[in-house]
Amino acid sequence: ETGVTQSPTHLIKTRGQQVTLRCSSQSGHNTVSWYQQALGQGPQFIFQYYREEENGRGNFPPRFSGLQFPNYSSELNVNALELNDSALYLCASSLGGTADYEQYFGPGTRLTVT
Amino acid sequence: AQKITQTQPGMFVQEKEAVTLDCTYDTSDQSYGLFWYKQPSSGEMIFLIYQGSYDEQNATEGRYSLNFQKARKSANLVISASQLGDSAMYFCAMREDSVGFKTIFGAGTRLFVKA
Repeated sequence: ETGVTQSPTHLIKTRGQQVTLRCSSQSGHNTVSWYQQALGQGPQFIFQYYREEENGRGNFPPRFSGLQFPNYSSELNVNALELNDSALYLCASSLGGTADYEQYFGPGTRLTVT
Repeated sequence: AQKITQTQPGMFVQEKEAVTLDCTYDTSDQSYGLFWYKQPSSGEMIFLIYQGSYDEQNATEGRYSLNFQKARKSANLVISASQLGDSAMYFCAMREDSVGFKTIFGAGTRLFVKA
């Protein structure tokens, strides 16, 4: 068990609604990354937060936004939900740094948009 | 262009035999890291093994080894003595030092271990 937790486990929303997903990092980790994993695909990087600041972003529109709190827990917010936002959302915490740092993933939140 | 390519959508292996999962990558960075993750049906990504671009020795972690061929830009995962619990999706991933915040994943290979 990695110590990274995510809530909720599952969520069903309607197109156009807004959703907030939460992630609690492993103790001592100051960096969190969020990924979207559509069915049958590999995870796609959404963004990363390091010490409460966005540290980098993937190819996702601005309606995907995030926050990192002083305790390094994190939120992913998605506005104006679309059907193709249905996916498994994974967060991963790490100590950050260079390319060799290991990420610890949470169990994910499965979002279904109807 | 695909940064990480996994050409085997599905693989079958007999229990107790070894299996190789293929991964090729594309980068112009000199410094990068390569990772393999296992994803069971529960969804959680489990880190298996890491190889740095400057590491001369192939990485090994228990039954997992990474066959790193830098000139060919390949990073194949070898699982020895397969177990039924190895049945899962396996993802190859890369992080480039020039874009250190971003991990790029391949499309994955589903491994089926037969009893």
